[in-house]
Amino acid sequence: DGGITQSPKYLFRKEGQNVTLSCEQNLNHDAMYWYRQDPGQGLRLIYYSQIVNDFQKGDIAEGYSVSREKKESFPLTVTSAQKNPTAFYLCASSDRGEWGYTFGSGTRLTVV
Amino acid sequence: DAKTTQPTSMDCAEGRAANLPCNHSTISGNEYVYWYRQIHSQGPQYIIHGLKNNETNEMASLIITEDRKSSTLILPHATLRDTAVYYCIAGYINTGTASKLTFGTGTRLQVTL
Repeated sequence: DGGITQSPKYLFRKEGQNVTLSCEQNLNHDAMYWYRQDPGQGLRLIYYSQIVNDFQKGDIAEGYSVSREKKESFPLTVTSAQKNPTAFYLCASSDRGEWGYTFGSGTRLTVV
Repeated sequence: DAKTTQPTSMDCAEGRAANLPCNHSTISGNEYVYWYRQIHSQGPQYIIHGLKNNETNEMASLIITEDRKSSTLILPHATLRDTAVYYCIAGYINTGTASKLTFGTGTRLQVTL
């Protein structure tokens, strides 16, 4: 079945360490996105990518970095510069057309 | 994207219809209305979308007013598994490039016995 896989589901890191969250899709979608969700809040866009080797900052890109070397993969690195990294991170993809997004199941990152 | 306004929370008895309203008074002519839902600690799930006509699928019905300034998502026979946060989004899907949908805080629907 086609879909988006985020791994791991839960991730714990010490403060000051960089951490990379994985996002893989087999939907053949061109565009991919990373969102952050804090408790009781909506989703905020971190980065998005329209095609391979291209990506743009979203609303809260500071302290994050991404790469898009393959169409299927869009990993997110949470750097030590991100002041409040503990959150639920969601990856999504979309195809051209009106059908909106397909989301992964998310990664819950806890920094201690 | 046009801003949407939804009630913070709603209750519905199991087996009854759940009608979730959404106001999008500033929606532009080429923006679609999308509904997603998010069950606790999972990724949002697509439910339905529409431009100006009413739409129905196996999950729900979407009723859009003629002036397109508001819409209602209808879950015809709510079950306990429909308890979730429901997001209404008005967004333009660019067929050539990535399209950014803005998710607000949504409506928390609680289905009860």
